[in-house]
Parts: sequence; structure tokens; C-alpha cells
Amino acid sequence: RKEVEQDPGPFNVPEGATVAFNCTYSNSASQSFFWYRQDCRKEPKLLMSVYSSGNEDGRFTAQLNRASQYISLLIRDSKLSDSATYLCVVNPDNYGQNFVFGPGTRLSVLP
Amino acid sequence: ETGVTQTPRHLVMGMTNKKSLKCEQHLGHNAMYWYKQSAKKPLELMFVYNFKEQTENNSVPSRFSPECPNSSHLFLHLHTLQPEDSALYLCASSRLPGVRPLLSYNSPLHFGNGTRLTVT
Repeated sequence: RKEVEQDPGPFNVPEGATVAFNCTYSNSASQSFFWYRQDCRKEPKLLMSVYSSGNEDGRFTAQLNRASQYISLLIRDSKLSDSATYLCVVNPDNYGQNFVFGPGTRLSVLP
Repeated sequence: ETGVTQTPRHLVMGMTNKKSLKCEQHLGHNAMYWYKQSAKKPLELMFVYNFKEQTENNSVPSRFSPECPNSSHLFLHLHTLQPEDSALYLCASSRLPGVRPLLSYNSPLHFGNGTRLTVT
């Protein structure tokens, strides 16, 4: 089983839709979790960290489910500008530098 | 955003050339990383430097040689590369736990804008 898995998509949704992505991780000792967004041919940019209690930033909500070893990202009221690849990143050890990236989920928001 | 800057943005080199990629971070971080991103593959960690000491070398071929003269600068020296080394090379930095101001968890990675390398 791969360390971090994501559905590669693409997810094609109309503007205004709500879309959710899941990401599963294999190391139950993982401590830190992040969602990054990557536009075509550009560097990944931090979208949000994922906290145990879940967190929300505007239209974006991230959740962590330790029992089932997955994190999720919910995007409400999708905009055309949300079209990108969303990368799930897991750090198995708070004190290490081993950031493990998922393959990414491609989202296309259509007019 | 100029937190992490990489040069050059694009590089085309022959298999016999020697070139270097440069990365500089202005965020006060103490860990720096090189990642490789090939088409349709996840980011692959190549090297990690922690307080200028290399702490990770992910079985990278010796034709890639990193150098970290201080906690703000990172280089990747390239020589006798192969066409399959063509990829996007990303530099990143982070702040490790225990560094003032004290962190109890690892801060996220901040990436530079990458060097798109083509080996001909």
C-alpha cells in the first residue's frame, strides 16, 4: 500500500458546486497533515494545515479522521479559479523532515 | 511572494554539461529541501538539510550533488545528466520544531517557483 493515496480524478464540476476530496495515509503514527494546491507548471502552494479538530478557511474545510486514517478537503461554492491539482501531504513525524506527498487530485471547475 | 527564490526558472542542458541550481530562502527557516517532480508522478524527496547538515539522501544518483553553505542557501550541482532527469526541480524550506519561537510540530513546506530542467 502506498504511503499516501489520492483519487487522481479529474473531478469536473460546475461553478458553484461543492466538491470533496479524500486522502488516505498508511502510517498510523503520522502527526502533521497539509493540503497544497498546485497550478499547472507551477510550484505547490500551501492551502491549509489540517488540525485534529478540523478547520475551516472561507470556502475550504479540512477534516482529519485518525481512526480511518484519512483527511478530507471540502470546497464549497466552487470558482473557476479553484481549478488546480490538490496535493495531500503527510508528515509521519513531527520532528522529522519526511513530508510524503500524494499524487494529487485534479479539479476542473467548469463555467 | 519572494520567501523562497530559485534560479534559473528554466534550464536546457546537454548530457555532458555541468550546471547548478540555486535556492535562497528569506523566511528564517532552518531546513531546506530539494524535490523532483516528473510528469504524472508525485513529488519525490531528493535531499534534506537541517541546520546545514545533510540529513536525508533519498538514493539519489551521484550526478546530483547538493551543497548547503548556510541555512539560507541551497545549491544542486548537476553533471552528466540523462534525458530521464528532465523534470521540475523544487526547492523548499521549513522551520523545525524546537527552534525559537518554539514549535511543537513541524511547520509546512514553503516552495520556490522551481526550475524546469530539460536534458537533451
